[in-house]
Amino acid sequence: GQQLNQSPQSMFIQEGEDVSMNCTSSSIFNTWLWYKQDPGEGPVLLIALYKAGELTSNGRLTAQFGITRKDSFLNISASIPSDVGIYFCAGHLSNAGGTSYGKLTFGQGTILTVHP
Amino acid sequence: GAVVSQHPSRVICKSGTSVKIECRSLDFQATTMFWYRQFPKQSLMLMATSNEGSKATYEQGVEKDKFLINHASLTLSTLTVTSAHPEDSSFYICSASRDRSPYEQYFGPGTRLTVT
Repeated sequence: GQQLNQSPQSMFIQEGEDVSMNCTSSSIFNTWLWYKQDPGEGPVLLIALYKAGELTSNGRLTAQFGITRKDSFLNISASIPSDVGIYFCAGHLSNAGGTSYGKLTFGQGTILTVHP
Repeated sequence: GAVVSQHPSRVICKSGTSVKIECRSLDFQATTMFWYRQFPKQSLMLMATSNEGSKATYEQGVEKDKFLINHASLTLSTLTVTSAHPEDSSFYICSASRDRSPYEQYFGPGTRLTVT
């Protein structure tokens, strides 16, 4: 099935550092979403992007919807220990219809470790 | 807003028995609910999509007779794992979306199923 290529797979950083991760695809998406998942929990929606070029912030998090509609990135500034977790990008294909309407394609996740 | 609950959070059952997992949208009406399965350190794998009052749409390779889904109301969907086997042990997560933002999925906290 359709895959989103998310990178990096894992990151080990020091508290206070900035973090950047991204997702790319060969297909066009009309929506990009970024989620964070803590161990043993369900993913939590961080940011939703709907327009090509859109740049949206949520506190220390900033995400952008790529101009080509085939990529997105997430930045975390001044990381803190509670940023630890798995970050997933997800997208809704622009040509998804019928039984595919509303379904999301997920990236493989970026495991973030923050050292105090 | 957009809170989704799941019950139970953990369940241990014996091989051959059936287990029911409930997914509820607590503060909104869910047009569509989704059921995912997640293996350790992997991304989410969509099992099926359900809309209230209609039959669920299963992803390729998912046995519909084994994973029974019922979406009885706009706030409740259930997943029943029938005749469970050890290989069904996994983390099951539901999500829900609403009319005004159909591409945004809000996830429940997940259910850890262990089949002995």
